[in-house]
Amino acid sequence: NAGVTQTPKFQVLKTGQSMTLQCAQDMNHEYMSWYRQDPGMGLRLIHYSVGAGITDQGEVPNGYNVSRSTTEDFPLRLLSAAPSQTSVYFCASSYPSGGPSSYNEQFFGPGTRLTVL
Amino acid sequence: GQQVMQIPQYQHVQEGEDFTTYCNSSTTLSNIQWYKQRPGGHPVFLIQLVKSGEVKKQKRLTFQFGEAKKNSSLHITATQTTDVGTYFCAGRSGGSNYKLTFGKGTLLTVNP
Repeated sequence: NAGVTQTPKFQVLKTGQSMTLQCAQDMNHEYMSWYRQDPGMGLRLIHYSVGAGITDQGEVPNGYNVSRSTTEDFPLRLLSAAPSQTSVYFCASSYPSGGPSSYNEQFFGPGTRLTVL
Repeated sequence: GQQVMQIPQYQHVQEGEDFTTYCNSSTTLSNIQWYKQRPGGHPVFLIQLVKSGEVKKQKRLTFQFGEAKKNSSLHITATQTTDVGTYFCAGRSGGSNYKLTFGKGTLLTVNP
């Protein structure tokens, strides 16, 4: 199993450009999420999905779109990049929670380091 | 919304000293998870705590979940250079089975 894969590893964009960050998992996990990590800010949830065709907003969704057409893939789209979106982006997946006691660790991908000039 | 505060933000220790990071939630949690992120790496799951007052150990790491399920701690005994990294707690409230709210993390550096 490859686990959670993300492409690209690095990306530089100019303000106003659009791009898609790819995320795929081969563990048949229903739950997938996108986080951004900025220095001193921890991990902040952007969007998440509880299954194919179902997505919802997290803590910081503005400027990002997602879709979930298959269980395996969960791409993140930046519609018009801004310097404030310079960050490290992590995709994660897990089994859905069957309740508080469910063992549902999140598996993280290696991350995409994005710079917006 | 739910907030998870984590202290300290940074901790520098000499190898062999102990280390503790604390996590406090503004709401009661259904469970709490701990992750470790090595410099330049991605977060890796360490453990999940569910029960009030729960204590779990992994070798030199001891994890506790408070009686009120609003706080947690991670204690490392006799730190080693391999312990270097950022430790995050992440809480899940009863209202959401899916969303985790992460603390800002504690960066641990160890002087050999």
